[in-house]
This record gives sequence, structure tokens and C-alpha cells, in this order.
Amino acid sequence: GAVVSQHPSRVICKSGTSVKIECRSLDFQATTMFWYRQFPKQSLMLMATSNEGSKATYEQGVEKDKFLINHASLTLSTLTVTSAHPEDSSFYICSARAQRAYNSPLHFGNGTRLTVT
Amino acid sequence: AQKITQTQPGMFVQEKEAVTLDCTYDTSDQSYGLFWYKQPSSGEMIFLIYQGSYDEQNATEGRYSLNFQKARKSANLVISASQLGDSAMYFCAMREGKNTGGFKTIFGAGTRLFVKA
Repeated sequence: GAVVSQHPSRVICKSGTSVKIECRSLDFQATTMFWYRQFPKQSLMLMATSNEGSKATYEQGVEKDKFLINHASLTLSTLTVTSAHPEDSSFYICSARAQRAYNSPLHFGNGTRLTVT
Repeated sequence: AQKITQTQPGMFVQEKEAVTLDCTYDTSDQSYGLFWYKQPSSGEMIFLIYQGSYDEQNATEGRYSLNFQKARKSANLVISASQLGDSAMYFCAMREGKNTGGFKTIFGAGTRLFVKA
């Protein structure tokens, strides 16, 4: 159980276009999902907290107008990279907790590798 | 501000031997959770073990154990009887104690473990 599905796994787009990444909790409801970004051989950097039915909370330094997050249902959050540039190329991973218990770990999608040419 | 420090960028261990991956943390919260995740080269994040700040006993999960020293703010991961499949990136993570937006989780820089045959 506790499966998080992320799509697409890889995407290549041209500079200036927008890309949408979907994150679905398949067998549980997630009122909160987290979006992380990971550069090669580096750690996961929290970008934003996605809240169902309300605005996302962005971490300091993350442009909310560039990284649009929508959490329209209890099982789906989307991250749209708008007007993508080569520096947006990265590995994006979403995650969620299956339970509200404090010791409940994050369950991660398999990530999306974005390449902007 | 909360911080996770992993000072070992890379570690080598002989197959069947034990290895300790270091993690120190900094927080002003009294209540917090510590997690270890494994990230193979394929990119997915796999939850390994959890330690709560109020847990008096060290957590264990199969071959994984967590050496929790609260006064020293350290939460080292011990992997016993290393296997070739343990070769991966390992991240120490901390879940904040205050609900500033879904109980965020921050990650350390990671340690890459190489298991030698």
C-alpha cells in the first residue's frame, strides 16, 4: 500500500514552454503533498507544500509564479513549470504521507527528470 | 533553523560487514522525527527507519538500526551484514515538530555507500 505515482518520468521541452508534472496518491488520500527538487548528486530541496483545496506554501527562494502548484483533489497534486529555462532542468519528486501519525514516513513518487533545451 | 548534516559524502564497506552512516541535526523543537531513506541509482526514495525524539530505545528494522544520541543530536544509521544491493545514496531527514504547513521534512546532503564484493 501507500503508493505515489508521478508522471511523466522523463520530459524534454524547449526553452519557454511549460511542463506539467502530476503526482497521484493511488491508495490513500493526501491532504498535503510535498514537492522536492534534486540536482545531480545533491540532496532533496523542499520547494513547496501542496495543500488540498488551498494555496500552496512555497519555501523561501522558490518562485511561486514559475512553479505553479495545484492540489485540486485529495489524490492529485500538479506542478507546472512555466516558461521553462535550461536552469530549471532537474529531478522533481513529489511525496505524501499515507497517515497522519507523527511517525508516518513520506512516500515518494519515482520522480520526473526534466530537461529543458 | 532546522538543519541536517551528513559529513560523509562517500563510504566503502566490504560485503557482509557492518557500516555506520553519520547524521547530526539541529533543531529547537522538543518534538521531532528522524528518518533515513535510501535512494538507489534508479532514483526512487525508499523509507528505511524512523526514530522519534521521545523514543527511549533505538529503532531497529531488520538489518537497519538507528544509533540515537539525543544529547549529542546525532542519529547514525547502522547497516549490518552489508549486501551488494545496499549500494545507494542514503539520506537522513528530520520532520519538524511544529505544524508550520504540514510538518515539513528536510534532508541532509546524503552519503553514497559502496558495497564491495
